[in-house]
Amino acid sequence: DADVTQTPRNRITKTGKRIMLECSQTKGHDRMYWYRQDPGLGLRLIYYSFDVKDINKGEISDGYSVSRQAQAKFSLSLESAIPNQTALYFCATSGRGPGGNEQFFGPGTRLTVL
Amino acid sequence: TQLLEQSPQFLSIQEGENLTVYCNSSSVFSSLQWYRQEPGEGPVLLVTVVTGGEVKKLKRLTFQFGDARKDSSLHITAAQTGDTGLYLCAGVHNFNKFYFGSGTKLNVKP
Repeated sequence: DADVTQTPRNRITKTGKRIMLECSQTKGHDRMYWYRQDPGLGLRLIYYSFDVKDINKGEISDGYSVSRQAQAKFSLSLESAIPNQTALYFCATSGRGPGGNEQFFGPGTRLTVL
Repeated sequence: TQLLEQSPQFLSIQEGENLTVYCNSSSVFSSLQWYRQEPGEGPVLLVTVVTGGEVKKLKRLTFQFGDARKDSSLHITAAQTGDTGLYLCAGVHNFNKFYFGSGTKLNVKP
């Protein structure tokens, strides 16, 4: 079974709709991240969380919100989707300690906003 | 503006050739990572370099961290078709905040 799972894998929605992307992990990691990937721009950090009570904005948090429901679950919401939020979204986790800064990524969610 | 600039953006070479990918920044990082991503999947970590001037080898891949910890390079010797993919560098601040480069898309032709 995959260590980091994302649902849905693909989603097409319309402008103005609210949408939630979910991420679950079985790695036991405290730290979780949401990124978006656009062609030619690499990965950009949206939000990150270092434990259940900790939420931090990343580079591009406008238009997004997150919820850390449990150590293993971190969801990303688009309150009112717009076309320029069409992208590939990745969830990632990392642990602590000397080897703790390796990030483990989920398979991604391809989101299209029409 | 990207904190990390990668070059080249695209690279298409024949199997057996050598190549180098560069990752440059004006910022100092606590460490720098290289990831490889295949279509339909998330990035997978190849290596982490921590010390300025550090060189790490992973079979045919050689990674170098600049002396000032601002830049890095990835050199592949005798590329194979299995090396095809998107290569991403990531600068790490304070061991917990990650900044990714725009990526280098490598295509190795048989």
